[in-house]
Amino acid sequence: GAVVSQHPSRVICKSGTSVKIECRSLDFQATTMFWYRQFPKKSLMLMATSNEGSKATYEQGVEKDKFLINHASLTLSTLTVTSAHPEDSSFYICSASERYTGELFFGEGSRLTVL
Amino acid sequence: ELKVEQNPLFLSMQEGKNYTIYCNYSTTSDRLYWYRQDPGKSLESLFVLLSNGAVKQEGRLMASLDTKARLSTLHITAAVHDLSATYFCAEGLNDMRFGAGTRLTVKP
Repeated sequence: GAVVSQHPSRVICKSGTSVKIECRSLDFQATTMFWYRQFPKKSLMLMATSNEGSKATYEQGVEKDKFLINHASLTLSTLTVTSAHPEDSSFYICSASERYTGELFFGEGSRLTVL
Repeated sequence: ELKVEQNPLFLSMQEGKNYTIYCNYSTTSDRLYWYRQDPGKSLESLFVLLSNGAVKQEGRLMASLDTKARLSTLHITAAVHDLSATYFCAEGLNDMRFGAGTRLTVKP
C-alpha cells in the first residue's frame, strides 16, 4: 500500500527554537495533506489542510504564525513549529490524499518534546 | 458544531467476550472510518464504510454504518489480548473529524 513518511519521528528541542517536521508521500502524489495534533491519551485534532501550491487552511484556534505549513510539491508538506514552547509538545500526525483516487494515508507521526 | 461521539471511552473485557463500540456523528456524511492506534504509534486503518447499511468484517472485528441514524458500530467477537488498543471512528471526506477514542483492554 501507499506509504506516507514523517521525519523526524522524534525530536527534542529547547524553548524558543523552531522545529520542522516533514511529511512525504513516497509512492504517490498528494494534492492535499492534513496535519493533526494529538495530546497524550487524547484524540486527533485537525490543525490545517495543506494544498499543493497554495496557502494552508487553518482550523479555528490554530495560530498560523505559530504553525507554518508549506506544501511546495505534490509529495512534500512541512510543518514548522516556530518559537516552540513546552505546551507545543505533542504527537503530530500528517495524512495525504492520493491525487487521483482521493484515498487517504496516514504518516507514522512525529513526537515533539519542547524542554 | 460538528461532532463525533464515541462510547464507551474505556472498555475492559475478558478474553472470549463480545462487545460493541458505538460512534454517533452529527453531519450528513456518508463516509465513516475506523482506526486502531497502539501506544506511541500512528493510525492503522481498519474499515472504510461508504454507504448506508455497509457492513465489513475483518477477523474478530465487524463494522457497520447506518447513515439515517448517523451511527456506526464496531463489534468485537471473542476478544483476544492482541486487540488491546485505542479505537477511533472518524467521519468526513478527507479533513476527518475524529471521535475521542475507545481504549480497549482485553484481559486474559
